[in-house]
Amino acid sequence: SQELEQSPQSLIVQEGKNLTINCTSSKTLYGLYWYKQKYGEGLIFLMMLQKGGEEKSHEKITAKLDEKKQQSSLHITASQPSHAGIYLCGADIGATDSWGKFQFGAGTQVVVTP
Amino acid sequence: EAQVTQNPRYLITVTGKKLTVTCSQNMNHEYMSWYRQDPGLGLRQIYYSMNVEVTDKGDVPEGYKVSRKEKRNFPLILESPSPNQTSLYFCASRQKQNPLGETQYFGPGTRLLVL
Repeated sequence: SQELEQSPQSLIVQEGKNLTINCTSSKTLYGLYWYKQKYGEGLIFLMMLQKGGEEKSHEKITAKLDEKKQQSSLHITASQPSHAGIYLCGADIGATDSWGKFQFGAGTQVVVTP
Repeated sequence: EAQVTQNPRYLITVTGKKLTVTCSQNMNHEYMSWYRQDPGLGLRQIYYSMNVEVTDKGDVPEGYKVSRKEKRNFPLILESPSPNQTSLYFCASRQKQNPLGETQYFGPGTRLLVL
C-alpha cells in the first residue's frame, strides 16, 4: 500500500511565483528524500531530512520536515523554467533495525509558464 | 566516475519471452534496489538487496526475480514477461553503513515494452 501521500498531483505556476509541494505519511519517517526527475529520465537527488523540525535549503529550494516527522514540504521561491519537472518524495520505511524497504510518493508534475 | 549503469536502455519484447535487465554499480555499495515507474503511481520498489546473496521483496515483486552473486551487479529477471510489466525500470545503489542520510544513486532507466 502507498504510505506516502504527495500533493498536489500537478502544478502550473507562472515564472517568478512560489510553489509548495507536500508529502505526508501516516507513519514516522526515518529519512525523507526529495528528488527531481525530468520526464522519462533518471532521478536527481535534491535534499534529505532526518530530524524533526529540520529545514534545508539549496539555491531557491527549501525542504522542511515537521516535528512529528510525518510531513514534509518542498518550497520553491521565484520559480524558473529550470524548475519544471517531476518532484518525488521518498522515504525509508521501517526503523533502523529493519530498513531496506523504500517508498516514493506518486510525484508532482511542475510546469512553469512564462 | 561513480555511476549506476543499466542495460539495455530500451527493450521491446513479446509475452512469455524471458529477459534480463542488468544493473551494475562501481561505488562498492552494499545496498541495491530495483524500482518500476508507472504514470500516476510513482516509483514502486520491486526487490532490494542488502548485500551479496541477501535479497528481499519490495512492494511489487510478483513476476520478477533477482540475484546478487557479486557486490557490483544486481540483475532483474522477468521469467515470463506480461504486458502489465511494461514500464520504466530503475536500478539504484546505496551505501549501507550509514543508511539513514545516504541517498540512493539511480541508473538512467530501462524502458520496457511487452507486447
